[in-house]
Amino acid sequence: GAVVSQHPSWVICKSGTSVKIECRSLDFQATTMFWYRQFPKQSLMLMATSNEGSKATYEQGVEKDKFLINHASLTLSTLTVTSAHPEDSSFYICSAPSPSYEQYFGPGTRLTVT
Amino acid sequence: GEDVEQSLFLSVREGDSSVINCTYTDSSSTYLYWYKQEPGAGLQLLTYIFSNMDMKQDQRLTVLLNKKDKHLSLRIADTQTGDSAIYFCAESIDPGGYQKVTFGIGTKLQVIP
Repeated sequence: GAVVSQHPSWVICKSGTSVKIECRSLDFQATTMFWYRQFPKQSLMLMATSNEGSKATYEQGVEKDKFLINHASLTLSTLTVTSAHPEDSSFYICSAPSPSYEQYFGPGTRLTVT
Repeated sequence: GEDVEQSLFLSVREGDSSVINCTYTDSSSTYLYWYKQEPGAGLQLLTYIFSNMDMKQDQRLTVLLNKKDKHLSLRIADTQTGDSAIYFCAESIDPGGYQKVTFGIGTKLQVIP
């Protein structure tokens, strides 16, 4: 079946630094990918829709200048958390619709900002 | 807008059946999903059902959809300790999967040995 990977799986960074998270579709092409964040004991909240070759679409309340999304190829989308702060600590999950119209999710990236 | 609701917690004994319930508000939902999330891990798609179906069975999993009441349930037969996880109900209005998926808050299933 379709597989989506994320890298890194866990990152710890200092406050004020930037962190890049990669999302790859391993055996299919994805013109669209989605980025979610999940706080402890809460559901996934959609942050933005990443579109290959065009600008990402951000959900209301998500700062586009803080969460930079680049969908440079049909198999890769990146999320960069700029000037990270402790409140950005969360579990970030990406997903991509497969050719069979199922949403496949990556394993997630746990970001801890100290 | 879309809203998906589910109970927060369910406890069952090993070997019993588990039933996790979910309600949604968007009548145009086309795909309805059940995802499993184990501690510290990402989401695993368990099963999904099209809105024009009433039931779908896949080994120990049975999904029932009452479209009139916008009610979705997941039944796990012969529940095992390995089934302990958080189960998310989710819906999407786009059959192509190119629209966002809206998730419920998740039901934590605890299986007692």
